[in-house]
Amino acid sequence: EPEVTQTPSHQVTQMGQEVILRCVPISNHLYFYWYRQILGQKVEFLVSFYNNEISEKSEIFDDQFSVERPDGSNFTLKIRSTKLEDSAMYFCASSPISGGAGDTQYFGPGTRLTVL
Amino acid sequence: GESVGLHLPTLSVQEGDNSIINCAYSNSASDYFIWYKQESGKGPQFIIDIRSNMDKRQGQRVTVLLNKTVKHLSLQIAATQPGDSAVYFCAERETGGFKTIFGAGTRLFVKA
Repeated sequence: EPEVTQTPSHQVTQMGQEVILRCVPISNHLYFYWYRQILGQKVEFLVSFYNNEISEKSEIFDDQFSVERPDGSNFTLKIRSTKLEDSAMYFCASSPISGGAGDTQYFGPGTRLTVL
Repeated sequence: GESVGLHLPTLSVQEGDNSIINCAYSNSASDYFIWYKQESGKGPQFIIDIRSNMDKRQGQRVTVLLNKTVKHLSLQIAATQPGDSAVYFCAERETGGFKTIFGAGTRLFVKA
């Protein structure tokens, strides 16, 4: 069964450094998402991406964040200058048709980001 | 404002018993609801979903009930097994919307 994959599984970085989290969505999916989950808290939406542009973003997704689909298979989340509070699990998700009602989003296993 | 919340943070059941996990939502514009299961160290795993034009949907050993009048959602797991131990999240989305709003989560413990 096709799965969303993410690399690395764990990323440790120093505050102020840039990080890039990578995802390979399910191959025939068209919509891509990033969510994050701070330890012990709920999963929070960051951004959705379709047709090479952001379709929706949350208040969390400020200028320090960016997303890119550099080729036909990868989807990346970049944090330009990490802060301590960016430490969290970051989940990539994809859906086949649209973000609307009835379209299931499939999640990857996550990347644990630790900012020291 | 938007919120999806859960009544109980933890639920402990005996193996073989039925489990019921409850969820309240407050966004009247939401018309699609999903239950996810999250095991330790893994991403949310889709379990079952329901659209707002339905009040009940059944899957394999799971049933989701939706009461739009009181904005309440529940997940019923029949014959709960040790492998069902996980955190369960309810989530919601609006038609045409891209973001899924997750609730706080309920941890289910299954005692053998």
